[in-house]
This record gives sequence, structure tokens and C-alpha cells, in this order.
Amino acid sequence: GENVEQHPSTLSVQEGDSAVIKCTYSDSASNYFPWYKQELGKGPQLIIDIRSNVGEKKDQRIAVTLNKTAKHFSLHITETQPEDSAVYFCAASKQAAGNKLTFGGGTRVLVKP
Amino acid sequence: NAGVTQTPKFQVLKTGQSMTLQCAQDMNHEYMSWYRQDPGMGLRLIHYSVGAGITDQGEVPNGYNVSRSTTEDFPLRLLSAAPSQTSVYFCASSYFSEQFFGPGTRLTVL
Repeated sequence: GENVEQHPSTLSVQEGDSAVIKCTYSDSASNYFPWYKQELGKGPQLIIDIRSNVGEKKDQRIAVTLNKTAKHFSLHITETQPEDSAVYFCAASKQAAGNKLTFGGGTRVLVKP
Repeated sequence: NAGVTQTPKFQVLKTGQSMTLQCAQDMNHEYMSWYRQDPGMGLRLIHYSVGAGITDQGEVPNGYNVSRSTTEDFPLRLLSAAPSQTSVYFCASSYFSEQFFGPGTRLTVL
């Protein structure tokens, strides 16, 4: 089955700096790659996603890049703010509907004011 | 819309007890899933459903049963609880790509 590895497990950045989280996947048939943000005591919430026919996608301060050949994708957060502090999960799916997700282990991001 | 709701929020069981975790959604989504979240392991898929009457196993199905008699509800049953099932359980629903997660149930098995 699919295996998704995520690094780093913890990330501490100064407010205003950039944060980068990297994930690798094993199954070349995976074609949908979402990123979820989980705040304390809550369920994960989708923040951005990318499909295998796209190399990069941006939404304000967040962007995701995908390298299909190397089977890795990354989340970039620019101009970090204290409210960006949370746990971030990458995931991969072979389903067009994206309802069977394999998650990475998560990255705890702390933005220091 | 309430979105995805889960009950209870917290539960403590003794080894061997059974219980049902409730999940409901009011978005008329066809797809529903159950995940468990353990420290350092992300979320792992337990069971999922692509519509009423249709369920299938995910990555870690052993010890859990599901049924989907209606579009709205997708309960998860623990038949005989074990300490290894201590975890936080999340239910999710989706129409296509984006999964909407409930607030979770924190389960402790003693």
C-alpha cells in the first residue's frame, strides 16, 4: 500500500520567516495530495491541495509544489504568523474523490512572536 | 449546517467492553470515513463508505465494524475493546476531494 513520510516532525520559526514541510510518497499511482491543518482539540481542516497534473499551486501565503518524478511534495508558508502554529499533515490518495487518504506523521509548527 | 458531528467527545472503556461511536453529517455527502489518530503516526484509515449500503476496509480495520444504512450516519462499533484501541477517532465526509472532519472522540481503554 501507499506510504507517506513527512519531515520534519517539529518546526520552530520566527514570526515573519518561512516554513517548509516536505513529504515523500511511495505509490506512483497516487494523484491527489492534500494538506491539512489541525489546531489543538479540533479535527483536521484542508488548507490546500494539488493534483498530479499540476506542479505548483498557491493560495495567498501558502503554496504547494509537487515533483512526480521524485515522488515528493512540499508545503511552503511565507510570512508566518502566530496563528499558523498548529500540526500540519500531508496526505496522498489514488482515488479521484480523495476519500481514501494515506497521511504522513504530521509536523508540529510553532511560530514564535 | 452542523457539518460533521461526533458523539461522545470522551469515553473510557474497560477491556472487553463494546461501544459505538456515532458520526453524522448534514451535507448530503456520499463519502464517509473513519480514521484513528495516534501520536507520531498521523491519521490511519479504519473503514470507509462510498454510499448508503456500501462499506469497505481501510488500513487498520481489525476490531472495528461499520454500517451505512443512511447517507447521514456512519457509526463505528468496537466489538471487544482492547488497550491498543486507545486513540482519538475522527469521522470525515466528502462529496469529492475535500474531506470535512468532525471534532473527534477521545477513547481510552483500560
